[in-house]
Amino acid sequence: SAVISQKPSRDICQRGTSLTIQCQVDSQVTMMFWYRQQPGQSLTLIATANQGSEATYESGFVIDKFPISRPNLTFSTLTVSNMSPEDSSIYLCSAGGQGAVYGYTFGSGTRLTVV
Amino acid sequence: GENVEQHPSTLSVQEGDSAVIKCTYSDSASNYFPWYKQELGKRPQLIIDIRSNVGEKKDQRIAVTLNKTAKHFSLHITETQPEDSAVYFCAASIHNDMRFGAGTRLTVKP
Repeated sequence: SAVISQKPSRDICQRGTSLTIQCQVDSQVTMMFWYRQQPGQSLTLIATANQGSEATYESGFVIDKFPISRPNLTFSTLTVSNMSPEDSSIYLCSAGGQGAVYGYTFGSGTRLTVV
Repeated sequence: GENVEQHPSTLSVQEGDSAVIKCTYSDSASNYFPWYKQELGKRPQLIIDIRSNVGEKKDQRIAVTLNKTAKHFSLHITETQPEDSAVYFCAASIHNDMRFGAGTRLTVKP
């Protein structure tokens, strides 16, 4: 299965600033996703990162707040913009192929604290 | 959209006993059902999955069953061990759009 490197692993940021999270996959994958996970909670899908086109956002998430890039089949970034304390959470990327032969793999997560 | 419900939210068993976690889904078009194990502070790890053309799948102490008619699937862990203690998430996927259940916190008491 694909191996995902995600960075940074954690960060403490001032409100009003932005943070970009990167995910690098060790092989080409069809699908990449970004999730948010509050401590003790389930995973909430933010968006699907589409290679070469605009990401597809879930209800409650907008491009201006969470711009996503996916320049190729192995890399994606998520930016959390104009942060507020409510954005404090764990952000995870996930990747997999069409048909999910090996299932979806997750990055190690980015623990974001906004102060 | 797809809605996945998972029960129970917490489960405590004695070491050696079996544990069963159940999930239901709403969209009959869902065709892929993975289960993830998440230990504290770590990423979710895929432990087993099943596709809609299969009714049951087993991997050592872990098995998953799927009832397409009733739209529910279950995770069965036999001979539980303390290292099985974690949060388990089920998920249902349509065309790679995966939705997760709320999670079950499993505690295995030695």
